[in-house]
Amino acid sequence: AQTVTQSQPEMSVQEAETVTLSCTYDTSESDYYLFWYKQPPSRQMILVIRQEAYKQQNATENRFSVNFQKAAKSFSLKISDSQLGDAAMYFCAYRSASGGTSYGKLTFGQGTILTVHP
Amino acid sequence: ETGVTQTPRHLVMGMTNKKSLKCEQHLGHNAMYWYKQSAKKPLELMFVYNFKEQTENNSVPSRFSPECPNSSHLFLHLHTLQPEDSALYLCASSHSQGASYGYTFGSGTRLTVV
Repeated sequence: AQTVTQSQPEMSVQEAETVTLSCTYDTSESDYYLFWYKQPPSRQMILVIRQEAYKQQNATENRFSVNFQKAAKSFSLKISDSQLGDAAMYFCAYRSASGGTSYGKLTFGQGTILTVHP
Repeated sequence: ETGVTQTPRHLVMGMTNKKSLKCEQHLGHNAMYWYKQSAKKPLELMFVYNFKEQTENNSVPSRFSPECPNSSHLFLHLHTLQPEDSALYLCASSHSQGASYGYTFGSGTRLTVV
């Protein structure tokens, strides 16, 4: 079974600065997708960014970018020019694209609470 | 609002009560999911429905009973719950179980069992 590990329970950053959230995963599959979700106090899980494992190019979405290291099974999220509205719980997630019992299921890490200081 | 609506937003119930959680989406998605989010634990997948058929029951106790009457609606029927069942219950949907995109989530139901 796949596992996703976020080793940073909490992180903090000053407004306008850059912060990186770490995520590692364990899988024997070669075809999969990786995601970062944000969960603000409103509780709604919002998709931040998505990476396809077969693409070497790192995904970017405005101020959010990832550092995807497939061999190392690492998928970190970089938030540039942090804003107060970025404060939330961030979850890394893995989704299998192969067949089998794990097909399509989204597996989450434990989450990282991000605090943004003004 | 993402297009996945969950009701009620909060629920307090006694251990002998019966209640139901409701999830509704009008995104044209064909797969729906129930997740349990407890403090200091990763999200736990409970049930998966793909084209109204249950394709996953992740060893969930029988006091949780899902129902998917159509692709747009998903229910979680609760009875004789335990205090440790108190958690945030999240519903999600996707185009299909194998879709390459992530899920769309609702805002969850905060359940407290007393």
